[in-house]
Amino acid sequence: GAGVSQSPRYKVAKRGQDVALRCDPISGHVSLFWYQQALGQGPEFLTYFQNEAQLDKSGLPSDRFFAERPEGSVSTLKIQRTQQEDSAVYLCASSLDLGTESMNTEAFFGQGTRLTVV
Amino acid sequence: ELKVEQNPLFLSMQEGKNYTIYCNYSTTSDRLYWYRQDPGKSLESLFVLLSNGAVKQEGRLMASLDTKARLSTLHITAAVHDLSATYFCASRTSYGKLTFGQGTILTVHP
Repeated sequence: GAGVSQSPRYKVAKRGQDVALRCDPISGHVSLFWYQQALGQGPEFLTYFQNEAQLDKSGLPSDRFFAERPEGSVSTLKIQRTQQEDSAVYLCASSLDLGTESMNTEAFFGQGTRLTVV
Repeated sequence: ELKVEQNPLFLSMQEGKNYTIYCNYSTTSDRLYWYRQDPGKSLESLFVLLSNGAVKQEGRLMASLDTKARLSTLHITAAVHDLSATYFCASRTSYGKLTFGQGTILTVHP
């Protein structure tokens, strides 16, 4: 498809379980972002990739969260030893943006993965 | 740290009425976005505002930006039920990171 694709759409994990969430950005998009959206809240930034380089991971809430984008396309957000407070929708967004001066910075969001930790 | 605040957080409107959602942001930003989110769905881009005084309109929605006041508004004209959703504003940093407001839940009643 032409949009940002995320999988799985829904994930139920037992507390302490590791999970991996996948994001397929729009083909050719350089920038990729992960956001966490708790129930009733706005999305909050987790991490940013420019191609395969992770340039900002300041939003990752703990060292249990890890993201990668090894070939500059598909990205995976991994959460180790999940806790109940990790329950949220995880949104991935990509943009064509090639740098700070680029005008092509509209971010396209995927449908998200709803993670429920029980 | 950039902060983005929206008000009101809840808005119940009658069909046909007008109203405005306000978005204040705390530090200089080079562009402001408005998104719509339906329950269980992702974010749909509505407007991107690039400069001071920018005004954009699409159907019954009109967005404006005042960079000096660090204020953006989303004006709803003659509301219809189909506009019921959650609306977010977001301010952008230099490389594209977005800081979102809390969201405004809009409900339009007959």
